[in-house]
Amino acid sequence: SQKIEQNSEALNIQEGKTATLTCNYTNYSPAYLQWYRQDPGRGPVFLLLIRENEKEKRKERLKVTFDTTLKQSLFHITASQPADSATYLCALGGMDSSYKLIFGSGTRLLVRP
Amino acid sequence: GAVVSQHPSWVICKSGTSVKIECRSLDFQATTMFWYRQFPKQSLMLMATSNEGSKATYEQGVEKDKFLINHASLTLSTLTVTSAHPEDSSFYICSAFSGTFSGRNEQFFGPGTRLTVL
Repeated sequence: SQKIEQNSEALNIQEGKTATLTCNYTNYSPAYLQWYRQDPGRGPVFLLLIRENEKEKRKERLKVTFDTTLKQSLFHITASQPADSATYLCALGGMDSSYKLIFGSGTRLLVRP
Repeated sequence: GAVVSQHPSWVICKSGTSVKIECRSLDFQATTMFWYRQFPKQSLMLMATSNEGSKATYEQGVEKDKFLINHASLTLSTLTVTSAHPEDSSFYICSAFSGTFSGRNEQFFGPGTRLTVL
């Protein structure tokens, strides 16, 4: 069956450390993968997109890797801040001619001051 | 940047009534809009894909007669929950897509609508 798995338990880290979130998928062949941030009671906000032919993408303190062999993406936030506390969602796209996304359940990140 | 609004932000209704939720792209034309539903601590579940001027494409298991979608213009899509029941209570989120706006396969999400059916 098709699955997208993100750590269901919250990730609790100290301010200044690097947060690493994982997204694993099975029985999908995405052309690209996206990461979104969602705050409670709000809609998701786009962070980064990485395509299947890209290994790594960076944006400021964010870094995403994409391993299509392992069917895994890692999302890193360096020098984390309490303001980074939120739920982070991965989403797979480009699996057909539509632009629809299939979302993982998200990982809640808590950054302690 | 691209802004997507939803109205209302929350709504409480009685069982059996219908509720309409609007999704607007404020500063760009959205060729495609998506409707999602999210239950507490769960993922966004795609309900349907809406293209301007054509019928919506519903995901498996979503009743098209219960969740009516109209995409009347390139900036407006509406979702009507007909004969709402308590199990329809959820957070409904729309997103808008325009490849020509950003050149990326990025969806811009609205702030969501919290529906509570009594």
